[in-house]
Amino acid sequence: DAGVIQSPRHEVTEMGQEVTLRCKPISGHNSLFWYRQTMMRGLELLIYFNNNVPIDDSGMPEDRFSAKMPNASFSTLKIQPSEPRDSAVYFCASSPGVLGGETQYFGPGTRLLVL
Amino acid sequence: AQKITQTQPGMFVQEKEAVTLDCTYDTSDQSYGLFWYKQPSSGEMIFLIYQGSYDEQNATEGRYSLNFQKARKSTNLVISASQLGDSAMYFCAMREGNTGGFKTIFGAGTRLFVKA
Repeated sequence: DAGVIQSPRHEVTEMGQEVTLRCKPISGHNSLFWYRQTMMRGLELLIYFNNNVPIDDSGMPEDRFSAKMPNASFSTLKIQPSEPRDSAVYFCASSPGVLGGETQYFGPGTRLLVL
Repeated sequence: AQKITQTQPGMFVQEKEAVTLDCTYDTSDQSYGLFWYKQPSSGEMIFLIYQGSYDEQNATEGRYSLNFQKARKSTNLVISASQLGDSAMYFCAMREGNTGGFKTIFGAGTRLFVKA
């Protein structure tokens, strides 16, 4: 079975540009999570969805960040406009989303560099 | 308040020896889940092992086992017979809540170095 798929794997952009990160969760998983990892702040949960509905977006840094999950097999994280401090590795993870099946499986991550 | 604490920023272990990575957590929930993940230098996050709060036996997965002490709110990861490939960052995590997708909080991690 395919794991969590993220694209692109690497993104280099200039400050002010829009960045869109994409994620395809594992088929059948009901929950999807977006994380950001930096050396300074570690692994931070940005937002998570359950059954395509955003449950908790308290980790989203500011209005420049937005996330959508239009269907069970696709999610996007958008940064507009991007800033150098957004440079990080962004992970998407999915889980079955039920008690006893809450283990999250991570995608390979998108390494974002904003110049 | 920090809910997952990993007090060891870095650890060294000799190849073939066992090593214990510490993790304490803070929650008022009766039902929760505890996880360990491995992140090698290549960057991917690899799920290792899970312990449910109601599990009476310590979880084991191959060379990985948990020393789960519920009263002390600790869940230490034991890696037996360390291998060079075990050199990586290890994260402890806790699932909060019982419904709605299960938000998970991660600790700061412990970097393990396995010496030949």
